[in-house]
Amino acid sequence: KAGVTQTPRYLIKTRGQQVTLSCSPISGHRSVSWYQQTPGQGLQFLFEYFSETQRNKGNFPGRFSGRQFSNSRSEMNVSTLELGDSALYLCASSLIPGTDYNEQFFGPGTRLTVL
Amino acid sequence: AQSVTQLGSHVSVSEGALVLLRCNYSSSVPPYLFWYVQYPNQGLQLLLKYTTGATLVKGINGFEAEFKKSETSFHLTKPSAHMSDAAEYFCAVSGGETSGSRLTFGEGTQLTVNP
Repeated sequence: KAGVTQTPRYLIKTRGQQVTLSCSPISGHRSVSWYQQTPGQGLQFLFEYFSETQRNKGNFPGRFSGRQFSNSRSEMNVSTLELGDSALYLCASSLIPGTDYNEQFFGPGTRLTVL
Repeated sequence: AQSVTQLGSHVSVSEGALVLLRCNYSSSVPPYLFWYVQYPNQGLQLLLKYTTGATLVKGINGFEAEFKKSETSFHLTKPSAHMSDAAEYFCAVSGGETSGSRLTFGEGTQLTVNP
Protein backbone atom coordinates (compact mmCIF):
# COMPACT_ATOMS: atom_id res chain seq x y z
CA LYS A 1 0.00 0.00 0.00
CA ALA A 2 1.46 3.36 -0.97
CA GLY A 3 2.25 5.79 1.81
CA VAL A 4 1.32 9.41 2.19
CA THR A 5 2.58 11.51 -0.69
CA GLN A 6 3.19 15.25 -0.68
CA THR A 7 3.89 17.56 -3.56
CA PRO A 8 5.98 19.46 -4.18
CA ARG A 9 8.88 18.33 -1.99
CA TYR A 10 10.66 21.67 -2.16
CA LEU A 11 9.36 25.15 -2.82
CA ILE A 12 10.93 28.60 -2.86
CA LYS A 13 8.70 31.65 -2.72
CA THR A 14 9.09 35.33 -1.97
CA ARG A 15 7.35 37.38 0.69
CA GLY A 16 3.81 38.33 -0.19
CA GLN A 17 3.23 35.40 -2.54
CA GLN A 18 0.85 32.57 -1.86
CA VAL A 19 1.47 28.85 -2.00
CA THR A 20 -0.57 25.66 -2.25
CA LEU A 21 0.68 22.34 -0.95
CA SER A 22 -0.88 19.00 -1.79
CA CYS A 23 -1.25 15.76 0.15
CA SER A 24 -2.56 12.36 -0.89
CA PRO A 25 -3.37 10.09 2.06
CA ILE A 26 -2.94 6.36 2.34
CA SER A 27 -5.69 4.59 0.42
CA GLY A 28 -8.74 4.17 2.66
CA HIS A 29 -7.70 6.85 5.14
CA ARG A 30 -10.27 9.60 5.45
CA SER A 31 -8.55 11.86 7.95
CA VAL A 32 -5.76 14.23 6.94
CA SER A 33 -3.84 16.47 9.31
CA TRP A 34 -1.24 19.14 8.63
CA TYR A 35 1.67 20.16 10.81
CA GLN A 36 4.34 22.84 10.60
CA GLN A 37 7.86 22.01 11.76
CA THR A 38 10.41 24.72 12.49
CA PRO A 39 13.62 24.68 14.54
CA GLY A 40 12.25 27.28 16.93
CA GLN A 41 8.67 26.14 17.45
CA GLY A 42 8.98 22.42 16.81
CA LEU A 43 6.01 20.49 15.49
CA GLN A 44 2.78 22.43 15.57
CA PHE A 45 -0.68 21.31 14.52
CA LEU A 46 -2.31 23.31 11.75
CA PHE A 47 -5.62 21.59 11.02
CA GLU A 48 -7.36 18.28 10.54
CA TYR A 49 -9.92 17.26 7.94
CA PHE A 50 -12.23 14.29 7.99
CA SER A 51 -14.75 13.56 5.26
CA GLU A 52 -14.19 17.01 3.72
CA THR A 53 -14.94 18.79 7.03
CA GLN A 54 -12.44 20.62 9.20
CA ARG A 55 -12.53 18.93 12.61
CA ASN A 56 -9.78 20.77 14.40
CA LYS A 57 -7.75 23.89 13.86
CA GLY A 58 -4.53 24.93 15.51
CA ASN A 59 -3.48 28.39 16.58
CA PHE A 60 -2.41 29.83 13.25
CA PRO A 61 -3.51 33.04 11.51
CA GLY A 62 -6.21 33.02 8.88
CA ARG A 63 -3.56 33.16 6.15
CA PHE A 64 -3.31 29.42 6.63
CA SER A 65 -6.21 27.50 5.18
CA GLY A 66 -6.95 24.06 3.91
CA ARG A 67 -9.51 21.86 2.32
CA GLN A 68 -10.20 18.22 1.65
CA PHE A 69 -11.69 16.72 -1.46
CA SER A 70 -14.13 13.85 -1.81
CA ASN A 71 -11.25 11.45 -2.59
CA SER A 72 -9.66 12.46 0.75
CA ARG A 73 -6.80 14.33 -0.92
CA SER A 74 -6.05 17.57 0.86
CA GLU A 75 -4.49 20.90 0.07
CA MET A 76 -3.27 23.66 2.31
CA ASN A 77 -2.81 27.23 1.24
CA VAL A 78 -0.74 29.99 2.75
CA SER A 79 -1.43 33.48 1.51
CA THR A 80 0.71 36.60 1.86
CA LEU A 81 3.80 34.63 2.77
CA GLU A 82 6.09 35.88 5.52
CA LEU A 83 9.71 34.95 6.21
CA GLY A 84 8.57 33.10 9.32
CA ASP A 85 6.48 30.73 7.23
CA SER A 86 9.66 28.99 6.11
CA ALA A 87 9.26 25.49 7.47
CA LEU A 88 8.77 21.83 6.75
CA TYR A 89 5.06 21.21 6.25
CA LEU A 90 4.03 17.68 7.08
CA CYS A 91 0.86 15.94 6.14
CA ALA A 92 -0.41 12.87 7.98
CA SER A 93 -3.31 10.54 7.39
CA SER A 94 -5.20 8.25 9.72
CA LEU A 95 -8.01 5.76 9.42
CA ILE A 96 -10.58 6.79 12.01
CA PRO A 97 -9.78 9.78 14.24
CA GLY A 98 -10.67 9.62 17.90
CA THR A 99 -10.58 5.83 18.02
CA ASP A 100 -7.99 3.12 18.54
CA TYR A 101 -7.32 3.37 14.80
CA ASN A 102 -6.10 6.93 15.02
CA GLU A 103 -2.38 6.54 14.49
CA GLN A 104 -1.11 9.04 11.99
CA PHE A 105 1.20 8.17 9.14
CA PHE A 106 3.30 10.99 7.82
CA GLY A 107 4.42 11.98 4.40
CA PRO A 108 7.95 13.18 3.59
CA GLY A 109 6.95 16.82 3.89
CA THR A 110 7.21 19.92 1.73
CA ARG A 111 10.16 22.18 2.51
CA LEU A 112 8.99 25.77 1.99
CA THR A 113 11.56 28.55 1.87
CA VAL A 114 10.34 32.14 1.85
CA LEU A 115 12.84 34.75 0.65
CA ALA B 1 -5.10 20.74 27.57
CA GLN B 2 -2.64 18.03 26.67
CA SER B 3 1.09 18.50 26.79
CA VAL B 4 4.26 16.47 26.46
CA THR B 5 7.68 17.04 27.97
CA GLN B 6 10.76 15.26 26.70
CA LEU B 7 13.63 15.38 29.14
CA GLY B 8 16.91 15.97 27.37
CA SER B 9 17.07 17.58 23.96
CA HIS B 10 20.26 15.63 23.20
CA VAL B 11 21.17 12.12 24.27
CA SER B 12 24.43 10.44 23.37
CA VAL B 13 25.13 6.72 23.77
CA SER B 14 27.74 4.27 22.62
CA GLU B 15 26.91 1.60 20.09
CA GLY B 16 25.59 -1.44 21.96
CA ALA B 17 24.54 0.57 25.02
CA LEU B 18 21.04 0.99 26.41
CA VAL B 19 18.95 3.76 24.88
CA LEU B 20 16.55 5.57 27.24
CA LEU B 21 14.55 8.55 26.00
CA ARG B 22 12.24 10.15 28.54
CA CYS B 23 8.73 11.44 28.00
CA ASN B 24 6.17 12.76 30.46
CA TYR B 25 2.68 13.76 29.50
CA SER B 26 -0.28 15.56 30.92
CA SER B 27 -3.77 14.85 29.76
CA SER B 28 -7.22 15.31 31.23
CA VAL B 29 -8.49 12.21 29.47
CA PRO B 30 -6.97 8.76 28.99
CA PRO B 31 -4.44 9.43 26.29
CA TYR B 32 -3.14 7.78 23.23
CA LEU B 33 0.65 7.99 23.32
CA PHE B 34 3.07 7.67 20.46
CA TRP B 35 6.75 7.69 19.69
CA TYR B 36 7.91 8.82 16.27
CA VAL B 37 11.38 8.93 14.73
CA GLN B 38 12.59 11.42 12.16
CA TYR B 39 15.68 10.93 10.03
CA PRO B 40 17.26 13.95 8.32
CA ASN B 41 15.17 15.42 5.52
CA GLN B 42 12.38 12.93 6.06
CA GLY B 43 8.94 12.81 7.58
CA LEU B 44 8.02 11.11 10.84
CA GLN B 45 7.92 7.35 11.16
CA LEU B 46 5.72 5.73 13.80
CA LEU B 47 7.75 3.59 16.20
CA LEU B 48 5.01 2.50 18.57
CA LYS B 49 1.66 3.43 20.04
CA TYR B 50 -0.06 3.00 23.40
CA THR B 51 -3.82 2.77 23.63
CA THR B 52 -5.12 0.86 26.64
CA GLY B 53 -4.31 -2.54 28.03
CA ALA B 54 -0.76 -3.81 28.27
CA THR B 55 1.52 -1.15 29.67
CA LEU B 56 4.62 -2.40 27.86
CA VAL B 57 4.40 -1.62 24.19
CA LYS B 58 6.72 -3.14 21.62
CA GLY B 59 7.52 -1.26 18.47
CA ILE B 60 9.64 -1.52 15.40
CA ASN B 61 13.42 -1.73 15.24
CA GLY B 62 13.68 -3.23 18.75
CA PHE B 63 12.20 -0.25 20.56
CA GLU B 64 9.69 -0.52 23.36
CA ALA B 65 8.01 1.86 25.78
CA GLU B 66 6.37 1.47 29.15
CA PHE B 67 3.26 3.39 30.12
CA LYS B 68 3.25 4.36 33.81
CA LYS B 69 0.05 6.14 34.73
CA SER B 70 1.21 6.93 38.28
CA GLU B 71 4.25 8.73 36.90
CA THR B 72 2.51 10.05 33.76
CA SER B 73 5.48 8.74 31.81
CA PHE B 74 6.01 6.91 28.56
CA HIS B 75 9.76 6.39 28.27
CA LEU B 76 11.28 4.80 25.16
CA THR B 77 14.00 2.18 25.47
CA LYS B 78 16.14 -0.07 23.33
CA PRO B 79 18.51 -2.58 24.91
CA SER B 80 21.35 -2.15 22.43
CA ALA B 81 21.88 0.95 20.31
CA HIS B 82 22.85 0.69 16.67
CA MET B 83 24.46 3.37 14.54
CA SER B 84 21.33 3.47 12.40
CA ASP B 85 19.29 4.60 15.45
CA ALA B 86 20.84 8.06 15.27
CA ALA B 87 17.90 10.36 14.58
CA GLU B 88 15.46 12.70 16.30
CA TYR B 89 12.73 11.13 18.40
CA PHE B 90 9.38 12.69 19.25
CA CYS B 91 6.89 11.70 21.90
CA ALA B 92 3.29 12.70 21.18
CA VAL B 93 -0.12 12.52 22.77
CA SER B 94 -3.66 12.63 21.49
CA GLY B 95 -6.91 11.70 23.07
CA GLY B 96 -10.61 12.10 23.28
CA GLU B 97 -13.16 12.03 20.56
CA THR B 98 -13.23 15.81 20.17
CA SER B 99 -9.50 16.07 19.59
CA GLY B 100 -9.67 13.65 16.70
CA SER B 101 -6.23 12.58 15.62
CA ARG B 102 -4.62 15.87 16.64
CA LEU B 103 -1.14 15.18 17.99
CA THR B 104 0.63 17.31 20.55
CA PHE B 105 4.36 16.73 20.30
CA GLY B 106 7.24 17.07 22.68
CA GLU B 107 10.25 19.16 21.75
CA GLY B 108 12.16 16.17 20.45
CA THR B 109 15.32 14.36 21.54
CA GLN B 110 18.28 14.10 19.20
CA LEU B 111 19.94 10.72 19.67
CA THR B 112 23.61 10.37 18.79
CA VAL B 113 25.19 6.92 18.67
CA ASN B 114 28.96 6.83 19.02
CA PRO B 115 31.04 3.98 17.58
